[in-house]
Amino acid sequence: AQKITQTQPGMFVQEKEAVTLDCTYDTSDPSYGLFWYKQPSSGEMIFLIYQGSYDQQNATEGRYSLNFQKARKSANLVISASQLGDSAMYFCAVYEKLTFGTGTRLTIIP
Amino acid sequence: EADIYQTPRYLVIGTGKKITLECSQTMGHDKMYWYQQDPGMELHLIHYSYGVNSTEKGDLSSESTVSRIRTEHFPLTLESARPSHTSQYLCASSVRLANYNEQFFGPGTRLTVL
Repeated sequence: AQKITQTQPGMFVQEKEAVTLDCTYDTSDPSYGLFWYKQPSSGEMIFLIYQGSYDQQNATEGRYSLNFQKARKSANLVISASQLGDSAMYFCAVYEKLTFGTGTRLTIIP
Repeated sequence: EADIYQTPRYLVIGTGKKITLECSQTMGHDKMYWYQQDPGMELHLIHYSYGVNSTEKGDLSSESTVSRIRTEHFPLTLESARPSHTSQYLCASSVRLANYNEQFFGPGTRLTVL
């Protein structure tokens, strides 16, 4: 079984500040992948970043980086220099059978 | 760019109607998924398929059914819609590459049952 825990239901962050969204996971699969998605109010799911369980380095994609701590089963998303357009729901998910966390609603304050 | 499609995007129907939500992808992905999501809430996996003629129920019990006769097509059917089925339904597909898992979502279908 797989389980994802996101403990921050909502966050308010000042524009241009960095923000860390927490995600812990539990899986019995020896090989797995971790995804972060952004879901704006329009409802579509936008892929942000992926981390494989055997990847040695933390994944980065532009302003997004993933702080992957395998021993702690933690995969936090870091957004640097936040922008107003970053306001959305953010979901962490673990592959194989994609299981999602409850999400964090991020609001960027101008 | 992801090639995964869902129709209709919006659907408003009366109680008791039979409906089918369409999902298709042109990427040749073996794995496909259906999620149900209420506004602002988490995604719940209701069905998944790992290939043709393979379907499994997800973590959330659902009265819907699915079929996978072709790789590219994964429709979801409600035999008799009820107001409790009102939700957004998201379809996704994925493929496992050498050291990477690729996964895409469709735009979703917002269903309202009156």
